[in-house]
Amino acid sequence: DVQLVESGGGVVQPGGSLRLSCIASGFTFDDYAIHWVRQAPGKGLEWVSHINGNGDSTYYADSVKGRFTISRDNSKNSLYLQMNSLRSEDTAFYYCATRGGTYFFDYWGQGTLVTVSS
Amino acid sequence: EIVLTQSPATLSLSPGDRATLSCRASQSVMNYLAWYQQKPGQAPRLLIYDASNRATGVPVRFSGSGSGTDFTLTISSLEPEDFAVYYCQQRINWPPLTFGPGTKVDVK
Repeated sequence: DVQLVESGGGVVQPGGSLRLSCIASGFTFDDYAIHWVRQAPGKGLEWVSHINGNGDSTYYADSVKGRFTISRDNSKNSLYLQMNSLRSEDTAFYYCATRGGTYFFDYWGQGTLVTVSS
Repeated sequence: EIVLTQSPATLSLSPGDRATLSCRASQSVMNYLAWYQQKPGQAPRLLIYDASNRATGVPVRFSGSGSGTDFTLTISSLEPEDFAVYYCQQRINWPPLTFGPGTKVDVK
């Protein structure tokens, strides 16, 4: 079975940094692009970033461009999100998600909560 | 950026009722639209992809229709487990991938 498990969330002060991880299993990791999607508590879903299978193509939402960096280590079946210059509006659950047989988000992790607060 | 709007924001219904949820795109997304269900404390779950195809394991009471800019998710007869928030999402023109703001289906 496909599994995505996020970790690395926590409480950080405004202007601080945090690195999220997502460990994947149950599929050929480097065959698939993976995304980060976030959800502020009680709010809707917001796409954050994408990385292709071999890691040489990335995209970002305007709201995080220049502050967040997505990367992957295919030897470890792992996805990362380096988050710098964090703001209160970055407070959210962060999910990694990928496609299965469709080109949408067939598979999601359980999410990790990032709280930016002084 | 393609903006998706969903209506109504909240739909108050009873078990056994038919639910009709709408998603409208600011420009054509052809049929590159999906619907997700999210329950409290859980990650979203893919229900419908490419506007009208049920994802694996999704009950037949869920159906999707539409193309271009207007889409509908229909739940033919609400089960207790169907009370949740539903989001649409487009993938034709990205970045950014965009989601609608969601429709909450709650118990009347």
